[in-house]
Amino acid sequence: DQQVKQNSPSLSVQEGRISILNCDYTNSMFDYFLWYKKYPAEGPTFLISISSIKDKNEDGRFTVFLNKSAKHLSLHIVPSQPGDSAVYFCAAKWVQGAQKLVFGQGTRLTINP
Amino acid sequence: DGGITQSPKYLFRKEGQNVTLSCEQNLNHDAMYWYRQDPGQGLRLIYYSQIVNDFQKGDIAEGYSVSREKKESFPLTVTSAQKNPTAFYLCASSPFGDSYSNQPQHFGDGTRLSIL
Repeated sequence: DQQVKQNSPSLSVQEGRISILNCDYTNSMFDYFLWYKKYPAEGPTFLISISSIKDKNEDGRFTVFLNKSAKHLSLHIVPSQPGDSAVYFCAAKWVQGAQKLVFGQGTRLTINP
Repeated sequence: DGGITQSPKYLFRKEGQNVTLSCEQNLNHDAMYWYRQDPGQGLRLIYYSQIVNDFQKGDIAEGYSVSREKKESFPLTVTSAQKNPTAFYLCASSPFGDSYSNQPQHFGDGTRLSIL
């Protein structure tokens, strides 16, 4: 039972344009969502998060949008840079639970010059 | 500089052998986690510990064991009962408690385990 899904295994975007990565979840108990970025042979690095009481959170070039009714979140990167090429994982947790993270399968983002 | 150290980076195991992966953190975090990553899949939780001398099974605990004798250390043993141990193993830590519920987990750089 995949509670967090990233349906696009890969995404290719031209440098300078917007990258949009999507994530869907099924468990309505989730109330905190995170995005991580991962380079090969390294651990994931935390990027940005959002609480379920918000619908948008911004940090520099990164913005996360949350649509609770659709159980959908997205990560926008504007403008996209070559260093953004990596695998991006979305993750969710239930704050009042054991605070375990449930991860999606990841989306490999490639930024083309 | 605070962080999470996983060693070794690459590990080889003969069939039938147990092997232990090390994870040490100096972030003073209460909670520690072990994940497994397979190609094309997300991170799956093996075991987690919210406090010293206590730990719980995650989603794929079969064939693995852990201990948490010290706050800064959370070693993972891959036993011979784990039928498909070849994977990338990631250790993470985070603060734990109501005041820290929105704190992200921080990850080490992982150990790649292969079967000879």
